[in-house]
Amino acid sequence: QVQLVESGGGVVQPGRSLRLSCAASGFTFSSYNMHWVRQAPGKGLEWVAAISFDGSEKFSADSVKGRFTVSRDDSKNTLYLQMNSLRPEDTAVYYCARGFRMTVKVVVITLFDLWGQGTLVSVSS
Amino acid sequence: DIQMTQFPSSLSASVGDRVTITCRASQSISTYLNWYQQKPGKAPNLLIYAASNLQSGVPSRFSGSGSGTDFTLTITSLQPEDFATYYCEQSYSTPPFTFGPGTKVDIK
Repeated sequence: QVQLVESGGGVVQPGRSLRLSCAASGFTFSSYNMHWVRQAPGKGLEWVAAISFDGSEKFSADSVKGRFTVSRDDSKNTLYLQMNSLRPEDTAVYYCARGFRMTVKVVVITLFDLWGQGTLVSVSS
Repeated sequence: DIQMTQFPSSLSASVGDRVTITCRASQSISTYLNWYQQKPGKAPNLLIYAASNLQSGVPSRFSGSGSGTDFTLTITSLQPEDFATYYCEQSYSTPPFTFGPGTKVDIK
């Protein structure tokens, strides 16, 4: 079954750390760029971070730069998000998503075509 | 960074109605535009990619159009399972990937 399953969320105090995991199954994990997207309660979607298929390139949103680090372990088919110096505004459901690159005519576009169910991170004292 | 706007932010419609949602980019993004549907408590689901291409398994009542800065998502005959929030997303100039603020479609 093709799926992504996140884990590791919970309640944490401001300034503390948390590591999220995303276990992939049913597809060749090592062939795909992977992303983290979050959604604060009652709010819209915000892209957080991405890692290339081979782990050589990593990107993150300005709002988390220097605090969050994305990584992957292809031997375990698992994506990670290390979150340090957490702030109340980081409270959100965190989704991992597969970034599928597709060529449509002359356009090479990235789609988020597979999503996990999400894991809730709550930052509060 | 490219900013995305959507309008309306919410709308009320009846089953069978034709619904149109508009998405606008702060600069030209060619057709690097995707649409997602999200139901309460669930992850987003890809509907349309590259502005006008229907994702496999998505009903044909959904369609997308546009290029440059202006895009539309149309649902030709709204069904009960279509009541949800819809997001556009640009992948032209990345990172970052940016989403619109969403359009909530609810029952009139």
